[in-house]
Amino acid sequence: DNQMTQSPASLSASLGETVTIECRASEDIYSNLAWFQQKPGKSPQLLIYDENSLADGVPSRFSGSGSGTHYSLKIKSLQSEDVASYFCQQYNNYPFTFGSGTKLEIK
Amino acid sequence: EVQLQQSGTELGKPGTSVKLSCKVSGYNTRNTYMHWVNQRPGKGLEWIGRIDPANGNTIYSEKFKSKATLTADTSSNTAYMQLSQLTSDDTAIYFCATPDWFAYWGQGTLVTVSS
Repeated sequence: DNQMTQSPASLSASLGETVTIECRASEDIYSNLAWFQQKPGKSPQLLIYDENSLADGVPSRFSGSGSGTHYSLKIKSLQSEDVASYFCQQYNNYPFTFGSGTKLEIK
Repeated sequence: EVQLQQSGTELGKPGTSVKLSCKVSGYNTRNTYMHWVNQRPGKGLEWIGRIDPANGNTIYSEKFKSKATLTADTSSNTAYMQLSQLTSDDTAIYFCATPDWFAYWGQGTLVTVSS
């Protein structure tokens, strides 16, 4: 299986700050990577797909980058509504695999 | 607007089976794969498998090959997942999602396994 190693597991930042979450795949995933935001009691919501394509309705404060086995999600100008867990997912090969998640809090 | 409406909470006894549903509106299920994912309490997301509703072809995670059975009914635009031989480890929220980059998710079905 293509393991997705996500870091950090938790993150505390101030309003207005920029934060970065990283995912590393054990094999090349050719940018077939998505990022999700999940709030308690809710379904995950797609933020980014194909490594850097912004999903419909997602603020431009969110951006994705990377290639090969290393990918990152950047959130600029952190806002209170960004408090959530974030997951990466590779859909390059089966079985699809997810990162273990990053819990983002506001300081 | 694409919507995935999942069936309600299930309470299953150990050793029994449950069948979850995911009804799609806003697009034809023949046009894309339907995936299933679970999330155990306080844990991350785990991919179970996917079905191609157009022909019934399925791919499963090795971990769920003996646990989950995916089917689909294109006439009603509904996908199903049966979980068999339930154990306490199967207690989780189960989501359907589509397409491969999971732009659309159901609201989730909570399955609780308890005697």
